[in-house]
Amino acid sequence: DIQMTQSPSSVSASVGDRVTITCRASQAISTFLAWYQQKPGKAPKLLIFAASTLQNGVPSRFSGSGSGTDFSLTISGLQPEDFATYYCQQVNTFLGITFGPGTKVDLK
Amino acid sequence: EVQLLESGGALVQPGGSLRLSCAASGFAFSQFAMNWVRQAPGKGLEWVSSVSGSGGSTYYIDSVKGRFNITRDNSKNTLYLQMNSLRVEDTALYYCAKAAVVGTTGLFSPWGQGTLVTVS
Repeated sequence: DIQMTQSPSSVSASVGDRVTITCRASQAISTFLAWYQQKPGKAPKLLIFAASTLQNGVPSRFSGSGSGTDFSLTISGLQPEDFATYYCQQVNTFLGITFGPGTKVDLK
Repeated sequence: EVQLLESGGALVQPGGSLRLSCAASGFAFSQFAMNWVRQAPGKGLEWVSSVSGSGGSTYYIDSVKGRFNITRDNSKNTLYLQMNSLRVEDTALYYCAKAAVVGTTGLFSPWGQGTLVTVS
């Protein structure tokens, strides 16, 4: 199976900051990459798919990029509701769906 | 509005069995693949299993192959996960998740609120 890694594992930031999270796949996955947001006690929410396409209703301050093995999620202008844990996911069923270990964004 | 309501989680001894259910509403159930994803307490997300809209194709993570069985009843808009030979490491909150796009399996949206399985 493809292994997914994320960095950093946690980041402390302030409202208004720009935050970038990176995700790396152990082998090339084209753009079969999604990002999810999970708040404490809540189910995950799909933010971005196909590496850079925003899910309906997701604010435009979220953006994704990358292809192959290296990807990133950027939050431009962090809002109070954005403090959460973010997971990347390799979405190709035939390669074995896998999630990254998560990146926690908390208040500095 | 899409709604997914999981049930069936419980405390069970190692080696025991459970059947989880996910009642779906608000969308054309038979057209979408459905999935189970779990999250151990304080840990990250782990995909467990997926089933195509017709139920004819199923997929599993290696650690549950031969022990878990995913099925669906499209007449009842319900997804199931039969879990046998449960292990302590199967302890987790089990989420039901709808495929985000018709014809795809690996993209999950939305998710239910989860049902807790404790093996001890």
